[in-house]
Amino acid sequence: AQSVTQPDIHITVSEGASLELRCNYSYGATPYLFWYVQSPGQGLQLLLKYFSGDTLVQGIKGFEAEFKRSQSSFNLRKPSVHWSDAAEYFCAVGERTGANNLFFGTGTRLTVIP
Amino acid sequence: NAGVTQTPKFRILKIGQSMTLQCTQDMNHNYMYWYRQDPGMGLKLIYYSVGAGITDKGEVPNGYNVSRSTTEDFPLRLELAAPSQTSVYFCASSYSSGGANTEAFFGQGTRLTVV
Repeated sequence: AQSVTQPDIHITVSEGASLELRCNYSYGATPYLFWYVQSPGQGLQLLLKYFSGDTLVQGIKGFEAEFKRSQSSFNLRKPSVHWSDAAEYFCAVGERTGANNLFFGTGTRLTVIP
Repeated sequence: NAGVTQTPKFRILKIGQSMTLQCTQDMNHNYMYWYRQDPGMGLKLIYYSVGAGITDKGEVPNGYNVSRSTTEDFPLRLELAAPSQTSVYFCASSYSSGGANTEAFFGQGTRLTVV
């Protein structure tokens, strides 16, 4: 069965520091992988996605993620965090067949200290 | 660019009342979904639809019903509201079955409280 684990519930970083949010997945085949960001009171916005090919994926707002099949991971990174990056981040696995459902992790809340 | 539009944004229901959460999309997407988001639990799929006239249950369908009479609209019905249905509800849509168009677009959410 598909599942996504985000082991860090809450992370606090200083503005300008680097960031890495962890995501591990369980899926029977090569997955579709996504990172979404949710600002308070808002819907989810897609940051980036992996379908195939280059395992290092670039997204919006300066984020990137690397797919590592051997570790079943898809960690999100940003070299220098801005105060506006404070939000909740969700990793998701997408089905390649059927309903194309997304299976979400429980999210990581990012706090940025000025 | 409207995208996915949900109404209402907020609602308070009494136990046993019913209501319909509206969702419409203007991207001509085939696939539509309803999720609920509970604190610390991520998003769970309630129902989904792969096209007009076709719906199916997700992970947590109990207490809900859906219909899909048009490509654009996918309303979610709560018949007998219970406190356990207090949550934030998100509607989403996506274009096709796999590949680069699998990206889901989300509405702004409906915050529902049942008292």
